[in-house]
Amino acid sequence: DIQMTQSPSSVSASVGDRVTITCRASQGIDTWLAWYQQKPGKAPKLLIYGTSTLKGGVPSRFSGSRSGTDFTLTISSLQPEDFAIYYCQQANDFPLTFGGGTKVEIK
Amino acid sequence: EVQLVESGGGLVQPGRSLRLSCAASGFSSGFSFADYAMHWVRQAPGKGLEWVAGISWDSDSIGYADSVKGRFTISRDNAKKSLYLQMNSLRTEDTALYQCVKDIVAVTGTRGFDSWGQGTLVTVSS
Repeated sequence: DIQMTQSPSSVSASVGDRVTITCRASQGIDTWLAWYQQKPGKAPKLLIYGTSTLKGGVPSRFSGSRSGTDFTLTISSLQPEDFAIYYCQQANDFPLTFGGGTKVEIK
Repeated sequence: EVQLVESGGGLVQPGRSLRLSCAASGFSSGFSFADYAMHWVRQAPGKGLEWVAGISWDSDSIGYADSVKGRFTISRDNAKKSLYLQMNSLRTEDTALYQCVKDIVAVTGTRGFDSWGQGTLVTVSS
């Protein structure tokens, strides 16, 4: 099974900061990685799929990239509504797997 | 907008069974429920997301998390626009909110989950 190691587990940041979250796959998953945002008591929202394709309606301050088996979610300028938990997910093969999550907190 | 509504959760004793259902509606843009892979994802209280099972649009490809393999069975009825999860030999560690989710891309393999139900709570306890 493919393991997804997400880091950091939490990050404290201020509005306007650039935030980077990383996910490492235990083996190659091509570009089949998605990122989700989850706020308390709400269902997760898909932000990015296929490593870097932004879902319609997602602000352009969110972006995704890849280097080998390392994947990155970048928020270029953190906004108040971005404080949440972020998860990566590999979509390459069954069983699908999520990363452990990164909580983005207010500094 | 696609709507997914789960049902069938509840309190059950360890070792017993439950069957979850998910009713889908609101498809447009020329695609229907029958065109999309569907999945179950669960989240235990205060914990992260765990993919449970997935089924391709034509039921030809099915997969399970190791934690449920051999105990859970995913199925779908495209005519009824419904997804199911038969859960047998339930364990306390299966306690979670179970959500029905839809793939963002029709027909192809899984790419990401763009529609989520609100979930049905399964509590396994004696």
